[in-house]
Amino acid sequence: EADIYQTPRYLVIGTGKKITLECSQTMGHDKMYWYQQDPGMELHLIHYSYGVNSTEKGDLSSESTVSRIRTEHFPLTLESARPSHTSQYLCASSDNLLAGGYNEQFFGPGTRLTVL
Amino acid sequence: GENVEQHPSTLSVQEGDSAVIKCTYSDSASNYFPWYKQELGKRPQLIIDIRSNVGEKKDQRIAVTLNKTAKHFSLHITETQPEDSAVYFCAASQNQFYFGTGTSLTVIP
Repeated sequence: EADIYQTPRYLVIGTGKKITLECSQTMGHDKMYWYQQDPGMELHLIHYSYGVNSTEKGDLSSESTVSRIRTEHFPLTLESARPSHTSQYLCASSDNLLAGGYNEQFFGPGTRLTVL
Repeated sequence: GENVEQHPSTLSVQEGDSAVIKCTYSDSASNYFPWYKQELGKRPQLIIDIRSNVGEKKDQRIAVTLNKTAKHFSLHITETQPEDSAVYFCAASQNQFYFGTGTSLTVIP
């Protein structure tokens, strides 16, 4: 079944560590996104990508990087984790409207990150 | 860029009553308006969407209306049930997605 997968689902880590949050999708979508969300609160766009080798910064892009080497894979890296990074990170994907897709965006299950 | 405002931030209704959540947007180029439902601890789920060439769309107990001239769109839930309790987000999109700040809906049995 087509879906979006995120690993790990939960992560507790110490300050200063480098971490990578994984996101893969089997939706066949071109566009992928990373959002940060505190429980039940507003979604903040961190990074997005229109396709392979395309990455763009969102509102909260500082202190993190992404890469898009394969269509289905969009990992997010925090170079030096801080307590302020404690949050839920949601990966999403959508079709390419310009390529005839419907632009519907679907979300992965999220990674809940705690930085001590 | 686009700016999406969503009201109210919290909403409590009695079971069986209707609930209405309203959003406004600023960029007339936005042409796709989805609504998401997020239950506690779960991912946002697309529940209904509308495109700019349509004024209203209905799916069972939920409906969405769009007024392009006024740049606002609304979610209507009729005959609310306790399982409708969740946080609802609106969004406006042309390429990127711009989300509202969410409405926490509580349906009181």
